[in-house]
Amino acid sequence: DIQMTQSPSSLSASVGDRVTISCRASQKITTYLNWYQQTPGKAPRLLIYGASTLQSGVPSRFSGSGSGTDFTLTISSLQPEDSATYFCQQSYINPRTFGQGTKLEVK
Amino acid sequence: QMQLVQSGAEMRKPGASVKISCKASGYSFTDYFMHWMRQAPGQEFEWMGWSNPLSGGAEYSRKFQGRVTLTTDTSITTAYMELTSLTYDDTAIYYCAASRGGGRSLSGFDPWGQGSLVAVSS
Repeated sequence: DIQMTQSPSSLSASVGDRVTISCRASQKITTYLNWYQQTPGKAPRLLIYGASTLQSGVPSRFSGSGSGTDFTLTISSLQPEDSATYFCQQSYINPRTFGQGTKLEVK
Repeated sequence: QMQLVQSGAEMRKPGASVKISCKASGYSFTDYFMHWMRQAPGQEFEWMGWSNPLSGGAEYSRKFQGRVTLTTDTSITTAYMELTSLTYDDTAIYYCAASRGGGRSLSGFDPWGQGSLVAVSS
């Protein structure tokens, strides 16, 4: 199975900051990488698919990049409502696997 | 808009079975695969498999093969996940989620159901 490793596991940043979250796959997955946001008690929300395509309705401050094994989720100007846990997930091969999550606190 | 609504929380004893439903609305049910995941307390998401409402087929994660059955009823646009031989380790929130693809796919999971808690306790 493909292992997905995120870093950091948690971070704290201020409103207006630029934040990056990394995700590394244990083997090459080209651009079959998706990012999700989850707030407590809610279902995950798809933010980015295909490594860099913004899902409809997602604010443009979110962006994704990367290919192969290394990927990045960037929030360009952090907002209070961005406090959440962020997950990456590969859709290259089954079983689909997820990163362990990055908990983001907005100060 | 696309929406998935899951059945409520369940409590079961070890060795029992559980069946969760996922009602789809706002889209053509047969155009999307239905995937199932679970998230145990403090753990990563685990993918369990998918069902294809168009073909009636399913694919299962090796981890759950033999214990999980994924089905769909197109007449009521509802997908089901049944898990048998429950153990304490099966205590988790179970989610359904729609995707354009079942195998290699650039599509992510969207939308997700709200989740169904399954608690296994004696």
